[in-house]
Amino acid sequence: EPEVTQTPSHQVTQMGQEVILRCVPISNHLYFYWYRQILGQKVEFLVSFYNNEISEKSEIFDDQFSVERPDGSNFTLKIRSTKLEDSAMYFCASSEWIYTGELFFGEGSRLTVL
Amino acid sequence: RKEVEQDPGPFNVPEGATVAFNCTYSNSASQSFFWYRQDCRKEPKLLMSVYSSGNEDGRFTAQLNRASQYISLLIRDSKLSDSATYLCVVIRGATGNQFYFGTGTSLTVIP
Repeated sequence: EPEVTQTPSHQVTQMGQEVILRCVPISNHLYFYWYRQILGQKVEFLVSFYNNEISEKSEIFDDQFSVERPDGSNFTLKIRSTKLEDSAMYFCASSEWIYTGELFFGEGSRLTVL
Repeated sequence: RKEVEQDPGPFNVPEGATVAFNCTYSNSASQSFFWYRQDCRKEPKLLMSVYSSGNEDGRFTAQLNRASQYISLLIRDSKLSDSATYLCVVIRGATGNQFYFGTGTSLTVIP
């Protein structure tokens, strides 16, 4: 069964460092997303991406965040200068169609900022 | 007011019991509704979509009440494997790309 894969599964970094989280969405999917979940809290939308550009972003997705699809398979989330409050599980998701409601999530990348 | 609100629980029910969760949403322009399931420290997975007419998938029944702005999930004959957090998800964005997740309702099915 096709799946979304994410790397790394866990990253520990120092405050102020740059972090890149990588995702390989399902190959025939057109819409890509990043979500985060702080431990014990709800899943929060960060950004959606379609046709090589951001289609929507939340207020969480400020200037320190960026996304990129550098090639035909990878979809990355960069955090330029990490803060303690960026510690969370970051989920990548993809979907085949818009409005479909079926998001396929990766297993997540746990980011710990010290 | 939060976009999506759920009773966090926890709900602890014996095997075989019937349990129901509700979820309310604040924006009447919300377009689509879903229940996702999330196991501890795992990714969310789609359980079922919610249609205005109500829909059933085996032991699971989902209902939508647009007038009162809530959705529900009913689980009949609970199994141990149903233990998880159930997330209510609403699409409201103009492009349909922004999914709002509730905080989830925790269910533990006890032998």
